[in-house]
Amino acid sequence: DVKVTQSSRYLVKRTGEKVFLECVQDMDHENMFWYRQDPGLGLRLIYFSYDVKMKEKGDIPEGYSVSREKKERFSLILESASTNQTSMYLCASSQTGGGYGYTFGSGTRLTVV
Amino acid sequence: DQQVKQNSPSLSVQEGRISILNCDYTNSMFDYFLWYKKYPAEGPTFLISISSIKDKNEDGRFTVFLNKSAKHLSLHIVPSQPGDSAVYFCASPYGNKLVFGAGTILRVKS
Repeated sequence: DVKVTQSSRYLVKRTGEKVFLECVQDMDHENMFWYRQDPGLGLRLIYFSYDVKMKEKGDIPEGYSVSREKKERFSLILESASTNQTSMYLCASSQTGGGYGYTFGSGTRLTVV
Repeated sequence: DQQVKQNSPSLSVQEGRISILNCDYTNSMFDYFLWYKKYPAEGPTFLISISSIKDKNEDGRFTVFLNKSAKHLSLHIVPSQPGDSAVYFCASPYGNKLVFGAGTILRVKS
């Protein structure tokens, strides 16, 4: 069964902390994505990556960075966590040309206090 | 600028009745649409899709209708079941990305 695995289901961090969210996929997909989900705003794209060491800004990249050192792993970094980054974070992957279907991880519920 | 819009934040339906979830889009270049279903504390899962060469696609209790002239699609669930209670997102590919609507929370009451 194909999988996208997010390392943490729930996280509580303090304001100003550096936060790492990890995502691993076992499908050999080229594309990986980080979204956040907020009520009334849907899924908003933070960053995505087409290949190892490549990254592209999404719609809301401010306050975030990413790292893709290996094909299967895509990390989201909150450089200095703030309360407005409290959200559900979702990682997804797809094949090349695969805006036609993502596989999502189970999500990480991050609370910044 | 939201290219995919779901204007109904929530919908409540009685078990056994039809649920109709709506989605509008602004980009006439969109030629493929997907519906995802999301339960709390889980990632979205693919439900059904439709290509712009069709105006209807059916999969069991789920049917998606596409009206290209109106730039409108809808997801019909018949009959609705309590397990269908979830957030439903419509989406369309834009390059290698998916553009999502804001989602509609469906509650099916037993």
